Amino acid sequence: DTAVSQTPKYLVTQMGNDKSIKCEQNLGHDTMYWYKQDSKKFLKIMFSYNNKELIINETVPNRFSPKSPDKAHLNLHINSLELGDSAVYFCASSQDWGGGGRSYEQYFGPGTRLTVT
Amino acid sequence: DQQVKQNSPSLSVQEGRISILNCDYTNSMFDYFLWYKKYPAEGPTFLISISSIKDKNEDGRFTVFLNKSAKHLSLHIVPSQPGDSAVYFCAASASADKLIFGTGTRLQVFP
Repeated sequence: DTAVSQTPKYLVTQMGNDKSIKCEQNLGHDTMYWYKQDSKKFLKIMFSYNNKELIINETVPNRFSPKSPDKAHLNLHINSLELGDSAVYFCASSQDWGGGGRSYEQYFGPGTRLTVT
Repeated sequence: DQQVKQNSPSLSVQEGRISILNCDYTNSMFDYFLWYKKYPAEGPTFLISISSIKDKNEDGRFTVFLNKSAKHLSLHIVPSQPGDSAVYFCAASASADKLIFGTGTRLQVFP
């Protein structure tokens, strides 16, 4: 059983297009995250949702919009894609938020490699 | 401003010997530290963690040491095995805030 799954695994698209990446976790976790790993391999948080509520929103262009229809899903929609959006995007989940200890242990999906041409 | 740094991009160790991966941080408010392991084409997987109230945590072959005065932590793997070959990320958090990751160290364990 896949704990955190993402679709698609690879996404190649042209500048200006709009695309979505889907994420689902079957761990029963309350908190989900989106990370971006750029070409320098720097893994940086973008968004976090706890019980469908946005709790972290880093300095991310508003072309990026996360949507959490329920606790098990956190999708990422990107409008007007730019070359600099090319990266690997990871979804993750954790048991809860702010509870210390295990709430820090995040489970990651396999990543979605986005290439914008 | 990179608050978590892994200054060695790669490390090569012979099977059976000890691997030591290092991580430095700048934010004195960090109170929880984690190590993640990542294989190619997979997401990072949690390996081991340590709270700032401790200076050592051990789990099987993996031990994490924390030196708060030096703002330094290290991961020891002993004995190293070929299956340990992966990229290792250090991460830190301040009072249940977001995780800040280092840029990773690629460990290669050769026979």
